[in-house]
Amino acid sequence: DQQVKQNSPSLSVQEGRISILNCDYTNSMFDYFLWYKKYPAEGPTFLISISSIKDKNEDGRFTVFLNKSAKHLSLHIVPSQPGDSAVYFCAASVGQGAQKLVFGQGTRLTINP
Amino acid sequence: SQTIHQWPATLVQPVGSPLSLECTVEGTSNPNLYWYRQAAGRGLQLLFYSVGIGQISSEVPQNLSASRPQDRQFILSSKKLLLSDSGFYLCAWSVSYTQYFGPGTRLTVL
Repeated sequence: DQQVKQNSPSLSVQEGRISILNCDYTNSMFDYFLWYKKYPAEGPTFLISISSIKDKNEDGRFTVFLNKSAKHLSLHIVPSQPGDSAVYFCAASVGQGAQKLVFGQGTRLTINP
Repeated sequence: SQTIHQWPATLVQPVGSPLSLECTVEGTSNPNLYWYRQAAGRGLQLLFYSVGIGQISSEVPQNLSASRPQDRQFILSSKKLLLSDSGFYLCAWSVSYTQYFGPGTRLTVL
C-alpha cells in the first residue's frame, strides 16, 4: 500500500524557470509533510516542511503548498538553478513520539542550462 | 551544531557473512534514531526506529536487527547476509518532526 506517491519519476526544466514537483497521499492522519533533496551516494538533505494546519510555507526559492482536501502537496522551486538537479522525495509523518516518515518514490529533477 | 556519522561508507560482503553498521550523533541528547534502506531505484523504507536506549521498534520483518547501546549510538546488524540485503543504508535522527540523515553506507552482498 503506497501511502505517499510521486507519480512523475523524472522532470526536466530549463534553468531560470519554475520547477513544480508533485506528491499525493492517501492517509488523512498524516499531520506533517517534508521535502528532501538527494544527490547520488549521499543522504537526503532536508529542504522544507509544512504542518497540516497550514496550506503554504515559503523559504527562499522553495515553496511548499498543501491541499488537504485533495491530499496533494507540491514543491515549487523558482528560479531553478543547475545545482537543483537531484532526486526529490516527499515524506509524510505519522505517529506520536517517534515521528515515522513515509516516503514517496522520488522524482529526478534535471535543470537544463 | 548537530552532526551524524555513519561508517563504513561502502562495504562489500559475501552472502552468509555478518554485518555491523554503526551510526553516531553528536550535539544533541535523547534523539529519536532511525535506520532506512534505499533499494536501487526506489524510495526510502524505514527498517527500525528507537526512542531511547535499548528501545527498538521494527517496521518490517527481515534478516536484520538493530540495537541502541548508548543514547547517541545506533547499530544495524545481521548474523548472515542475504543477496537481498544489498542497498543503501541510511541512519537518521530527530528531536521533533524533522529527520536529519547521515551520509549513508552502500552495502553490496555478493
